[in-house]
This record gives sequence, C-alpha cells and structure tokens, in this order.
Amino acid sequence: AQSVAQPEDQVNVAEGNPLTVKCTYSVSGNPYLFWYVQYPNRGLQFLLKYITGDNLVKGSYGFEAEFNKSQTSFHLKKPSALVSDSALYFCAVKRDSNYQLIWGAGTKLIIKP
Amino acid sequence: SQTIHQWPATLVQPVGSPLSLECTVEGTSNPNLYWYRQAAGRGLQLLFYSVGIGQISSEVPQNLSASRPQDRQFILSSKKLLLSDSGFYLCAWSPATGHYEQYFGPGTRLTVT
Repeated sequence: AQSVAQPEDQVNVAEGNPLTVKCTYSVSGNPYLFWYVQYPNRGLQFLLKYITGDNLVKGSYGFEAEFNKSQTSFHLKKPSALVSDSALYFCAVKRDSNYQLIWGAGTKLIIKP
Repeated sequence: SQTIHQWPATLVQPVGSPLSLECTVEGTSNPNLYWYRQAAGRGLQLLFYSVGIGQISSEVPQNLSASRPQDRQFILSSKKLLLSDSGFYLCAWSPATGHYEQYFGPGTRLTVT
C-alpha cells in the first residue's frame, strides 16, 4: 500500500544550526515527492518536488531535499536554520493510480534563538 | 500567474445551520480542484476533488457536499452543520496534466458552536 511517514512529531533546532525533517515513503512505481510548509492559520506553501534526475533538489527559502531510493526517503534540509523557519512541514507522495497526493502527518519545526 | 481565493477567512456558525464556502482560481484553465479539512492544526483529510465542471468525487462520506458550477469555482456546502465539522478548510488546485503539485488557498477557519 502507498504511504508516507514523517516519524518526528516535532523537531527542535537552534538558530544557525543545520536542520533535517525526515520523510519516508512507500510506492509501487517511481515516486513523485513533495514538501510543503504551513505557517499558523495559513494555507500550505509548496517548497520543492522530486520527479526524476538529481537526487538533491533545491527549493524555496534555502531548503533542499535529498532523495534516497534505497532508503525510500526524502528528507528536507537546510544548512542554517532561521527562527522564521518555525512552521509545520508536510511531505507528500503522488498516488500511483492518479494525480492525488498522499500526505504525511506533518512535523512541527521549532527554531530557537 | 495563478491565484487561488477562498472566503470567508473565518466563520462561526451554530449547529444545524447551513454552510457555503467558496473557492476560485485565476490564471489557469481546467484545473483539478480539491477540498481538504485540517483538524487540530495537523493532518490533511481530502474531502472532495474535481477534474471538471459538475464532476465531483467524494473521499469521505459525511455531512458535507461539493459542487463545481464553473471551471474555476469550487463550493463546499452543508445543509446542517455538526460540531464535528469545525476545522480549517483548505481549497487547492493542480494543473490538469503534467505537474502534480497542488497550490493552496489561504483557508477558512470554521467554528461550529
């Protein structure tokens, strides 16, 4: 069955340190993977996607994600965290059978000054 | 460029009252449209999706219904609200072909009292 998991409910990082938000997936075919960010009481904003090609994908606001096929992971990363990066982050994978997305439960990222 | 609008931004309604939330998309044609509900600031639940005018698919049987009277208009309705209908409602769109990322509106916070 297709699924996506975000194993960490919350991630705490000090400002200036690198951050990683984890995502693992399960699909039967080639994965189409996405990261979104949500600030309080706002809609989700698209950050980046992996369709094919380079395993390191660069996106908005200095974020990047690394696709690892053998570990079925698509972790979101940033070299130096900002307090303004504090938000809820969602990983998603496209369903094999159609255009819909399967969503992870979300990870709350807290960046402390 | 494309823009997605949702209104109202917030809504407080008594139990048993009707509901109508509206979503419109500008700058694109024949988009796929989605209604999601987000409870307690976390996971996304897909409620309805539409691939064209008058074509609505329901993911979860419940107290809500959706309609798509025009190509870029998507409406979420209820005849009688329940307390459990409270939540953050998000509309999203994606291109009909080629790309699978979804773009979200600002959301409507519904409180049923």
